[in-house]
Amino acid sequence: QQQVKQSPQSLIVQKGGISIINCAYENTAFDYFPWYQQFPGKGPALLIAIRPDVSEKKEGRFTISFNKSAKQFSLHIMDSQPGDSATYFCAAQNSGGSNYKLTFGKGTLLTVNP
Amino acid sequence: NAGVTQTPKFQVLKTGQSMTLQCAQDMNHEYMSWYRQDPGMGLRLIHYSVGAGITDQGEVPNGYNVSRSTTEDFPLRLLSAAPSQTSVYFCASREIADQPQHFGDGTRLSIL
Repeated sequence: QQQVKQSPQSLIVQKGGISIINCAYENTAFDYFPWYQQFPGKGPALLIAIRPDVSEKKEGRFTISFNKSAKQFSLHIMDSQPGDSATYFCAAQNSGGSNYKLTFGKGTLLTVNP
Repeated sequence: NAGVTQTPKFQVLKTGQSMTLQCAQDMNHEYMSWYRQDPGMGLRLIHYSVGAGITDQGEVPNGYNVSRSTTEDFPLRLLSAAPSQTSVYFCASREIADQPQHFGDGTRLSIL
């Protein structure tokens, strides 16, 4: 059972456009939702994270939107740049659990064309 | 500032061989974990540890062993390598609380 569903698998955006990646979760106990960015040959790195007590969090050109009732959250990249080309993973965690395991989506390969 | 260090970066094995993937972190993090990354499958948790002497299974533990004798090190052992274990393996660490998870740069493992 896939607990975090991520879409699309791949995304091509023109420079300056908006990139949107969506995730949906099933476990209502999840209460921490990070996004990771991974460049080729490197490990994933935390990009931005949100908790369900807020509906939106913005850091520079990156924004997470969170819809608790729909159990969905999304990453928006404004003014997308070629340097944003990477694989993006959403994740979810139940902080009340005893193991703090992160459950990852399957990833989205973003290509930003110049 | 090393962070999470994984060795080796690349390895080719023959079916049935055993090997240990090394992982070390210098941030005094209690929580460490091992993931495998396969195309279209995302990151799947193999084993994790919440502190020295404590380990537990993740989503895909079969064929792998771990131990945690120190806070810094968390090696992953392949007991008898199989072609299905061809993958990129990532080690990660973080504080027990809700802090960012730091990943190493991975070990690319091919099993023939």
